[in-house]
Amino acid sequence: EPEVTQTPSHQVTQMGQEVILRCVPISNHLYFYWYRQILGQKVEFLVSFYNNEISEKSEIFDDQFSVERPDGSNFTLKIRSTKLEDSAMYFCASRGGGQGVYEQYFGPGTRLTVT
Amino acid sequence: AQSVTQLDSHVSVSEGTPVLLRCNYSSSYSPSLFWYVQHPNKGLQLLLKYTSAATLVKGINGFEAEFKKSETSFHLTKPSAHMSDAAEYFCVVSDSTKAAGNKLTFGGGTRVLVKP
Repeated sequence: EPEVTQTPSHQVTQMGQEVILRCVPISNHLYFYWYRQILGQKVEFLVSFYNNEISEKSEIFDDQFSVERPDGSNFTLKIRSTKLEDSAMYFCASRGGGQGVYEQYFGPGTRLTVT
Repeated sequence: AQSVTQLDSHVSVSEGTPVLLRCNYSSSYSPSLFWYVQHPNKGLQLLLKYTSAATLVKGINGFEAEFKKSETSFHLTKPSAHMSDAAEYFCVVSDSTKAAGNKLTFGGGTRVLVKP
């Protein structure tokens, strides 16, 4: 069964460093998402991406964040200068295209620890 | 704006007894509703979805949920818990009218413990 994959599973970085979290969505999916979950808090929407552009973003997704689909298979989330409060589990998701409801398929997550 | 409230942060049941996980939602339009499960060190897996067809929705592993518009609820049930049901469960709402965005809004999660 096709699945969303994410790398790395755990990333430790120092405050102020740049990190790139990588995701490989399901191959025929057209919509891509990033969510995050700070320890003990709800899963929060960050950004959605369709047709090579951001379709919606949350207030969390400020200028420090960016997303890219560089090669038609990977979907990346970059944090330019990490802060302590960026420590969280980051989930990538994808879904199929068209109207109607299509569930989002999630990857296993990347745990980001900023020290 | 849409929101989801899961009324119990933790639920403990004995193996073989029924499970009830409560969820209330708030939405200004006809929502799509989902239940996802997360086992330790695993990703979020879809259990079931409501998409304005039948109000009683059956999902995987014997779970089902009933959409009650008058109560704005979407409670998840299973008649007989199994040890493998120990996990965290998330009730989720989505705006199905937005084809491009379609962001999910999560409840706080309910952690289920199954006692032998």
